[in-house]
Amino acid sequence: AQSVTQLDSQVPVFEEAPVELRCNYSSSVSVYLFWYVQYPNQGLQLLLKYLSGSTLVKGINGFEAEFNKSQTSFHLRKPSVHISDTAEYFCAVSIFGNEKLTFGTGTRLTIIP
Amino acid sequence: DTEVTQTPKHLVMGMTNKKSLKCEQHMGHRAMYWYKQKAKKPPELMFVYSYEKLSINESVPSRFSPECPNSSLLNLHLHALQPEDSALYLCASSQDTSGRFYEQYFGPGTRLTVT
Repeated sequence: AQSVTQLDSQVPVFEEAPVELRCNYSSSVSVYLFWYVQYPNQGLQLLLKYLSGSTLVKGINGFEAEFNKSQTSFHLRKPSVHISDTAEYFCAVSIFGNEKLTFGTGTRLTIIP
Repeated sequence: DTEVTQTPKHLVMGMTNKKSLKCEQHMGHRAMYWYKQKAKKPPELMFVYSYEKLSINESVPSRFSPECPNSSLLNLHLHALQPEDSALYLCASSQDTSGRFYEQYFGPGTRLTVT
């Protein structure tokens, strides 16, 4: 069975500073990887996905993530954050095309003005 | 268009009521999902419908009853709920290509309060 670990439950960052949200996964087979963002009182929005190919994937709102197979990681980065990036961020994994997504526990990103 | 719609947005119900949550997508996705999300927690999978057939039931109590009338619609029927069932209920859908499912698209959720 696969699992996802988001070690940082909360990350405070000053506005316009860079940020990295960490995600590690565990699986004995190939996986698809995703980052979702959830703004207060809303559903989840897909930020970006890794299915295959280039290990650096770019998403919406200036976010990008890098798939590292040897370290089983899929960290999310943004070079300069804005107040509007304040939200909960979830990393998720599915086993190679299976319907089921396994979510990490989430990281709350708080932007400090 | 990557929209999943859910109605109602908010629902307050007593423990003896019967109500239904509705979810709709017109993206041609063949998998649809119900999740329950408590505050400050990730979504918990409840049910998966694949090609309009129930493929996953995560040991959800029988007071929750899913229904998939067609490939675009998903309902969740609620009966005799408990206060601990109060949560945000999220619907999602995903595309199937050659038997593989990809990213899920989520609706805005229904905020359910059981009194």
